[in-house]
Amino acid sequence: ILNVEQSPQSLHVQEGDSTNFTCSFPSSNFYALHWYRWETAKSPEALFVMTLNGDEKKKGRISATLNTKEGYSYLYIKGSQPEDSATYLCAFNEGSTLGRLYFGRGTQLTVWP
Amino acid sequence: GAVVSQHPSWVICKSGTSVKIECRSLDFQATTMFWYRQFPKQSLMLMATSNEGSKATYEQGVEKDKFLINHASLTLSTLTVTSAHPEDSSFYICSASRTNEQFFGPGTRLTVL
Repeated sequence: ILNVEQSPQSLHVQEGDSTNFTCSFPSSNFYALHWYRWETAKSPEALFVMTLNGDEKKKGRISATLNTKEGYSYLYIKGSQPEDSATYLCAFNEGSTLGRLYFGRGTQLTVWP
Repeated sequence: GAVVSQHPSWVICKSGTSVKIECRSLDFQATTMFWYRQFPKQSLMLMATSNEGSKATYEQGVEKDKFLINHASLTLSTLTVTSAHPEDSSFYICSASRTNEQFFGPGTRLTVL
Protein backbone atom coordinates (compact mmCIF):
# COMPACT_ATOMS: atom_id res chain seq x y z
CA ILE A 1 0.00 0.00 0.00
CA LEU A 2 1.46 3.35 -1.03
CA ASN A 3 1.65 6.12 1.52
CA VAL A 4 0.05 9.46 0.72
CA GLU A 5 0.25 12.02 3.50
CA GLN A 6 -1.63 15.26 3.84
CA SER A 7 -0.97 18.02 6.30
CA PRO A 8 -2.32 19.62 8.28
CA GLN A 9 -5.19 17.32 9.20
CA SER A 10 -7.42 20.32 9.89
CA LEU A 11 -7.18 24.05 9.54
CA HIS A 12 -9.29 26.93 10.81
CA VAL A 13 -8.81 30.32 9.20
CA GLN A 14 -10.55 33.65 9.11
CA GLU A 15 -12.36 34.87 6.03
CA GLY A 16 -9.89 36.66 3.80
CA ASP A 17 -6.85 34.71 4.98
CA SER A 18 -4.78 32.82 2.46
CA THR A 19 -3.89 29.25 3.26
CA ASN A 20 -2.06 26.25 1.87
CA PHE A 21 -1.88 22.52 2.46
CA THR A 22 0.61 19.83 1.57
CA CYS A 23 0.31 16.44 -0.06
CA SER A 24 3.32 14.12 -0.11
CA PHE A 25 3.48 10.98 -2.20
CA PRO A 26 6.00 8.44 -3.52
CA SER A 27 8.43 9.99 -6.00
CA SER A 28 8.72 6.85 -8.09
CA ASN A 29 6.37 5.42 -10.71
CA PHE A 30 4.41 8.66 -10.89
CA TYR A 31 1.56 9.14 -13.35
CA ALA A 32 -0.68 11.85 -11.94
CA LEU A 33 -1.68 13.69 -8.77
CA HIS A 34 -5.33 14.57 -8.27
CA TRP A 35 -6.84 17.18 -5.96
CA TYR A 36 -10.47 16.98 -4.89
CA ARG A 37 -12.71 19.25 -2.84
CA TRP A 38 -15.26 17.37 -0.75
CA GLU A 39 -18.16 19.02 0.99
CA THR A 40 -20.23 17.04 3.46
CA ALA A 41 -23.03 14.98 1.86
CA LYS A 42 -21.83 15.84 -1.64
CA SER A 43 -19.64 14.15 -4.22
CA PRO A 44 -15.93 14.92 -4.17
CA GLU A 45 -15.36 17.58 -6.83
CA ALA A 46 -12.31 17.28 -9.04
CA LEU A 47 -10.12 20.39 -8.79
CA PHE A 48 -6.92 19.52 -10.60
CA VAL A 49 -5.18 16.66 -12.34
CA MET A 50 -1.45 17.30 -12.39
CA THR A 51 0.94 15.24 -14.43
CA LEU A 52 4.16 17.17 -15.13
CA ASN A 53 6.90 18.06 -12.71
CA GLY A 54 6.76 21.79 -12.09
CA ASP A 55 3.10 21.99 -13.09
CA GLU A 56 1.16 24.92 -11.70
CA LYS A 57 -2.60 24.99 -12.14
CA LYS A 58 -5.14 27.60 -11.14
CA LYS A 59 -8.92 27.71 -10.81
CA GLY A 60 -10.19 31.03 -9.50
CA ARG A 61 -8.65 31.61 -6.07
CA ILE A 62 -7.32 28.06 -5.83
CA SER A 63 -4.00 26.99 -7.26
CA ALA A 64 -1.72 23.98 -6.99
CA THR A 65 1.90 23.14 -7.66
CA LEU A 66 3.61 19.83 -8.26
CA ASN A 67 7.10 18.49 -7.56
CA THR A 68 7.33 14.89 -8.69
CA LYS A 69 11.06 14.57 -8.02
CA GLU A 70 10.65 15.16 -4.31
CA GLY A 71 7.08 13.86 -4.12
CA TYR A 72 4.95 16.77 -2.96
CA SER A 73 2.16 19.04 -4.09
CA TYR A 74 0.85 22.24 -2.52
CA LEU A 75 -2.69 23.54 -2.73
CA TYR A 76 -3.16 27.27 -2.15
CA ILE A 77 -6.35 29.18 -1.47
CA LYS A 78 -6.10 32.94 -1.74
CA GLY A 79 -8.53 35.09 0.25
CA SER A 80 -10.45 32.18 1.81
CA GLN A 81 -14.24 32.43 1.90
CA PRO A 82 -16.70 30.49 4.10
CA GLU A 83 -17.83 28.57 1.01
CA ASP A 84 -14.29 27.19 0.71
CA SER A 85 -14.93 25.17 3.88
CA ALA A 86 -14.57 21.53 2.88
CA THR A 87 -12.19 18.60 3.05
CA TYR A 88 -9.46 18.73 0.44
CA LEU A 89 -8.20 15.37 -0.75
CA CYS A 90 -5.17 14.50 -2.80
CA ALA A 91 -4.78 11.21 -4.62
CA PHE A 92 -1.71 9.63 -6.17
CA ASN A 93 -2.07 7.76 -9.44
CA GLU A 94 0.89 5.49 -10.19
CA GLY A 95 1.81 3.68 -13.32
CA SER A 96 1.10 4.62 -16.92
CA THR A 97 -2.63 5.16 -17.12
CA LEU A 98 -5.50 6.45 -15.05
CA GLY A 99 -6.17 3.68 -12.62
CA ARG A 100 -6.32 3.07 -8.94
CA LEU A 101 -5.93 6.13 -6.79
CA TYR A 102 -4.19 6.21 -3.42
CA PHE A 103 -5.78 8.85 -1.25
CA GLY A 104 -4.52 10.88 1.65
CA ARG A 105 -6.75 11.39 4.67
CA GLY A 106 -7.52 14.92 3.63
CA THR A 107 -7.20 18.38 5.10
CA GLN A 108 -10.40 19.70 6.64
CA LEU A 109 -10.63 23.45 6.11
CA THR A 110 -13.02 25.67 8.08
CA VAL A 111 -13.25 29.32 7.13
CA TRP A 112 -14.89 31.53 9.72
CA PRO A 113 -16.77 34.66 8.60
CA GLY B 1 -21.20 17.26 -17.16
CA ALA B 2 -19.61 14.20 -15.50
CA VAL B 3 -22.25 13.56 -12.86
CA VAL B 4 -22.27 10.32 -10.92
CA SER B 5 -25.16 9.30 -8.70
CA GLN B 6 -25.21 6.70 -5.98
CA HIS B 7 -28.18 5.06 -4.34
CA PRO B 8 -29.06 4.74 -1.54
CA SER B 9 -27.29 7.52 0.32
CA TRP B 10 -27.64 5.63 3.56
CA VAL B 11 -28.90 2.22 4.61
CA ILE B 12 -29.37 0.38 7.88
CA CYS B 13 -29.69 -3.38 7.76
CA LYS B 14 -29.68 -6.37 10.05
CA SER B 15 -26.69 -8.64 10.34
CA GLY B 16 -26.85 -11.47 7.81
CA THR B 17 -28.82 -9.60 5.18
CA SER B 18 -27.56 -8.37 1.82
CA VAL B 19 -27.45 -4.80 0.63
CA LYS B 20 -27.14 -3.53 -2.94
CA ILE B 21 -25.63 -0.15 -3.78
CA GLU B 22 -26.01 1.37 -7.25
CA CYS B 23 -23.59 3.69 -8.99
CA ARG B 24 -24.67 5.47 -12.16
CA SER B 25 -22.88 7.80 -14.53
CA LEU B 26 -25.68 10.12 -15.58
CA ASP B 27 -24.26 12.03 -18.55
CA PHE B 28 -21.38 9.93 -19.82
CA GLN B 29 -20.47 6.32 -20.43
CA ALA B 30 -17.90 4.71 -18.18
CA THR B 31 -16.07 1.58 -19.19
CA THR B 32 -14.41 1.52 -15.80
CA MET B 33 -15.86 2.25 -12.39
CA PHE B 34 -14.18 2.01 -9.03
CA TRP B 35 -15.50 1.15 -5.57
CA TYR B 36 -13.88 2.64 -2.48
CA ARG B 37 -14.50 2.27 1.23
CA GLN B 38 -13.71 4.70 4.02
CA PHE B 39 -13.59 3.80 7.70
CA PRO B 40 -13.71 6.59 10.32
CA LYS B 41 -10.64 8.83 10.27
CA GLN B 42 -9.11 6.80 7.45
CA SER B 43 -8.49 7.53 3.81
CA LEU B 44 -10.58 6.29 0.91
CA MET B 45 -9.35 2.79 0.10
CA LEU B 46 -9.94 1.10 -3.23
CA MET B 47 -11.91 -2.12 -2.93
CA ALA B 48 -12.29 -3.13 -6.56
CA THR B 49 -12.13 -2.00 -10.15
CA SER B 50 -15.22 -2.72 -12.19
CA ASN B 51 -15.01 -3.08 -15.98
CA GLU B 52 -18.10 -3.20 -18.13
CA GLY B 53 -18.80 -6.68 -19.41
CA SER B 54 -16.05 -8.41 -17.47
CA LYS B 55 -15.24 -9.57 -13.97
CA ALA B 56 -14.20 -7.03 -11.40
CA THR B 57 -10.65 -6.87 -10.10
CA TYR B 58 -10.48 -6.92 -6.32
CA GLU B 59 -7.79 -5.44 -4.11
CA GLN B 60 -5.85 -7.64 -1.78
CA GLY B 61 -7.85 -8.46 1.33
CA VAL B 62 -11.25 -7.73 -0.21
CA GLU B 63 -13.43 -10.84 -0.43
CA LYS B 64 -14.93 -11.13 -3.88
CA ASP B 65 -17.66 -13.49 -2.68
CA LYS B 66 -18.73 -11.05 -0.03
CA PHE B 67 -18.62 -7.88 -2.12
CA LEU B 68 -20.27 -8.76 -5.41
CA ILE B 69 -19.76 -6.26 -8.21
CA ASN B 70 -21.74 -6.17 -11.43
CA HIS B 71 -21.03 -3.73 -14.25
CA ALA B 72 -23.62 -4.78 -16.80
CA SER B 73 -23.85 -1.51 -18.71
CA LEU B 74 -21.70 1.52 -19.47
CA THR B 75 -23.64 3.64 -17.00
CA LEU B 76 -24.34 1.31 -14.09
CA SER B 77 -22.24 -0.63 -11.61
CA THR B 78 -23.64 -2.29 -8.50
CA LEU B 79 -21.98 -3.41 -5.29
CA THR B 80 -23.78 -6.01 -3.21
CA VAL B 81 -22.60 -6.60 0.33
CA THR B 82 -23.69 -10.16 1.05
CA SER B 83 -24.36 -11.50 4.53
CA ALA B 84 -23.45 -8.15 6.03
CA HIS B 85 -21.87 -8.00 9.48
CA PRO B 86 -21.34 -5.05 11.80
CA GLU B 87 -17.68 -4.83 10.73
CA ASP B 88 -18.91 -4.07 7.19
CA SER B 89 -20.41 -0.83 8.49
CA SER B 90 -18.58 1.86 6.57
CA PHE B 91 -18.88 4.58 3.95
CA TYR B 92 -18.88 3.19 0.40
CA ILE B 93 -18.26 5.48 -2.56
CA CYS B 94 -17.97 4.81 -6.27
CA SER B 95 -16.26 6.65 -9.09
CA ALA B 96 -16.48 6.49 -12.86
CA SER B 97 -13.56 7.22 -15.12
CA ARG B 98 -13.65 9.55 -18.09
CA THR B 99 -10.50 10.54 -19.98
CA ASN B 100 -7.88 11.07 -17.29
CA GLU B 101 -10.17 11.78 -14.35
CA GLN B 102 -12.37 9.93 -11.90
CA PHE B 103 -15.75 11.40 -11.02
CA PHE B 104 -17.29 10.38 -7.75
CA GLY B 105 -20.76 9.68 -6.47
CA PRO B 106 -21.86 11.13 -3.12
CA GLY B 107 -21.36 7.84 -1.27
CA THR B 108 -23.47 5.43 0.77
CA ARG B 109 -23.34 5.14 4.54
CA LEU B 110 -23.95 1.51 5.52
CA THR B 111 -24.77 0.58 9.09
CA VAL B 112 -25.16 -3.09 9.95
CA LEU B 113 -26.89 -3.79 13.24
